[in-house]
Amino acid sequence: AQRVTQPEKLLSVFKGAPVELKCNYSYSGSPELFWYVQYSRQRLQLLLRHISRESIKGFTADLNKGETSFHLKKPFAQEEDSAMYYCALSPMDSNYQLIWGAGTKLIIKP
Amino acid sequence: DTEVTQTPKHLVMGMTNKKSLKCEQHMGHRAMYWYKQKAKKPPELMFVYSYEKLSINESVPSRFSPECPNSSLLNLHLHALQPEDSALYLCASSQAGGNYNEQFFGPGTRLTVL
Repeated sequence: AQRVTQPEKLLSVFKGAPVELKCNYSYSGSPELFWYVQYSRQRLQLLLRHISRESIKGFTADLNKGETSFHLKKPFAQEEDSAMYYCALSPMDSNYQLIWGAGTKLIIKP
Repeated sequence: DTEVTQTPKHLVMGMTNKKSLKCEQHMGHRAMYWYKQKAKKPPELMFVYSYEKLSINESVPSRFSPECPNSSLLNLHLHALQPEDSALYLCASSQAGGNYNEQFFGPGTRLTVL
């Protein structure tokens, strides 16, 4: 079964501390994985995708096929990182559908 | 213009009303989407239009009726909704065809059904 799991509903860390938002997936083929972010009162937007290997706003995510994970990391959290983060998987047989994780609410404490 | 716009921002309607949500993009995208999002939940795909044709209907009740008048516009017609339909309705657009293309989301319409 195709599934994306974000085990933490809520993650709270202090400003300046490292952040890791976990994402595990279940998929039989080669997945394309994404992190989307939704800041308070703002639209949902793509943060990064594994195929581009970019670092956006200091965040990185590495696809680990052995552990079927795509964890999102940032070495030093900022208060403006507080948001809802969703991990999503795009099945290879669909150009349009995304399988979403349940989301993790990240709170950065001052 | 690199944004997806949605109107209205907020909508309150009774169960017997008929209303429409509107979405517009001028990025030349040929795929457009409707999603429903409940609070603190991921978006749920409702409909996808590709090249102005309905490509995906995720078994959405017929009280929701999508329409794609042209490549820039997407409507969602609402009729006889239920209180449980109250949610944030998101529109998105992307390139069509090929491998997965980044979806660009609108700000949403917050719908309340009384």
